[in-house]
Amino acid sequence: RKEVEQDPGPFNVPEGATVAFNCTYSNSASQSFFWYRQDCRKEPKLLMSVYSSGNEDGRFTAQLNRASQYISLLIRDSKLSDSATYLCVVNIGILEGFKTIFGAGTRLFVKA
Amino acid sequence: EADIYQTPRYLVIGTGKKITLECSQTMGHDKMYWYQQDPGMELHLIHYSYGVNSTEKGDLSSESTVSRIRTEHFPLTLESARPSHTSQYLCASSESGGGPSTDTQYFGPGTRLTVL
Repeated sequence: RKEVEQDPGPFNVPEGATVAFNCTYSNSASQSFFWYRQDCRKEPKLLMSVYSSGNEDGRFTAQLNRASQYISLLIRDSKLSDSATYLCVVNIGILEGFKTIFGAGTRLFVKA
Repeated sequence: EADIYQTPRYLVIGTGKKITLECSQTMGHDKMYWYQQDPGMELHLIHYSYGVNSTEKGDLSSESTVSRIRTEHFPLTLESARPSHTSQYLCASSESGGGPSTDTQYFGPGTRLTVL
């Protein structure tokens, strides 16, 4: 079982739709969580960190559920430019410090 | 924008050649990473470094080698390129000392390697 699992999608949604992605993690030593965005044939870029209390950045809302070991990303009022792959990222505590695990990503296509 | 650079951006080379992919960052980050990613597929960590003279292999076995002689520079070398090495290679860096909550990775634009 992978340490970080995501629904690969693709999610095909019309402009203006609300879409939500989930990501589950299996290691209870997971300490911090992030969402990255990767456009086609480009490098991943940090979208937002995920805090225990949940956090919002414009149309994007990230939430963490430690009890169930999942994080989510909600995108409201989808734009064509939101089309990308969204990567769930987890920092897991290890003896030497921590390691970073990237999920395989969820593809989103927003259509006019 | 992150200050992390990779050269070349694209490389087409014949089987058996030795190649070095360059990665440099000007942020003073201690940690650097190399990932391999095929089109539409997930990232695979192949090497990482926590500082000068520190290098470790990642989760995916790779025939490449790395060195870290200077903080800002983390080159990856393939002694004898093969078609199976065709992929995108992404370099990243992150700042140590802040702990896991603030340790986020910044990626370079990648090198797209094709071995004929």
